Amino acid sequence: DARVTQTPRHKVTEMGQEVTMRCQPILGHNTVFWYRQTMMQGLELLAYFRNRAPLDDSGMPKDRFSAEMPDATLATLKIQPSEPRDSAVYFCASGTDSNQPQHFGDGTRLSIL
Amino acid sequence: GENVGLHLPTLSVQEGDNSIINCAYSNSASDYFIWYKQESGKGPQFIIDIRSNMDKRQGQRVTVLLNKTVKHLSLQIAATQPGDSAVYFCAETLNTDKLIFGTGTRLQVFP
Repeated sequence: DARVTQTPRHKVTEMGQEVTMRCQPILGHNTVFWYRQTMMQGLELLAYFRNRAPLDDSGMPKDRFSAEMPDATLATLKIQPSEPRDSAVYFCASGTDSNQPQHFGDGTRLSIL
Repeated sequence: GENVGLHLPTLSVQEGDNSIINCAYSNSASDYFIWYKQESGKGPQFIIDIRSNMDKRQGQRVTVLLNKTVKHLSLQIAATQPGDSAVYFCAETLNTDKLIFGTGTRLQVFP
């Protein structure tokens, strides 16, 4: 089965450090989403891209977060500088058109000390 | 993955019984709905979807029912198995890419 691949699966680092999370969407999917999941807030959409162009990043703190798609097979989410409140599980999902299922990776569990 | 909320609703069922997981959605104009299953340490897994022009859709051992009058969505799992134990999320959208997720229900299957 085709899958969304996320790396790393786990990341522990000290506050102030830069964190980069990577995502390989399913081949042929033109829409890529970044979500954050915490116990208190649930699943929150941070940003998403279609055909590598950013469509919406309104859910993302702009001062420290950035999302890019260097090419169709790679999406990145960076946090610089990281803070303890950024600790969460970050999911990438990919899909095709609106009103079609999004398919999720298994996430990056991030802990900022 | 993280489980949503400190007080996640929990449904406990015996193996072999049918399970019904309910979801109240927020927007009466939403036109597309999805159910996801999330196991511990994994991402949400697509189960089944339904569009607003339907009121029922069946998959393998699962059925989704949509009641637009009361903005209610349900997921029925037939002959529940231990492997069905997970957190289940409903999600809605109105002709956009943005899914709005519910808070989730934990399904526990006991022998």
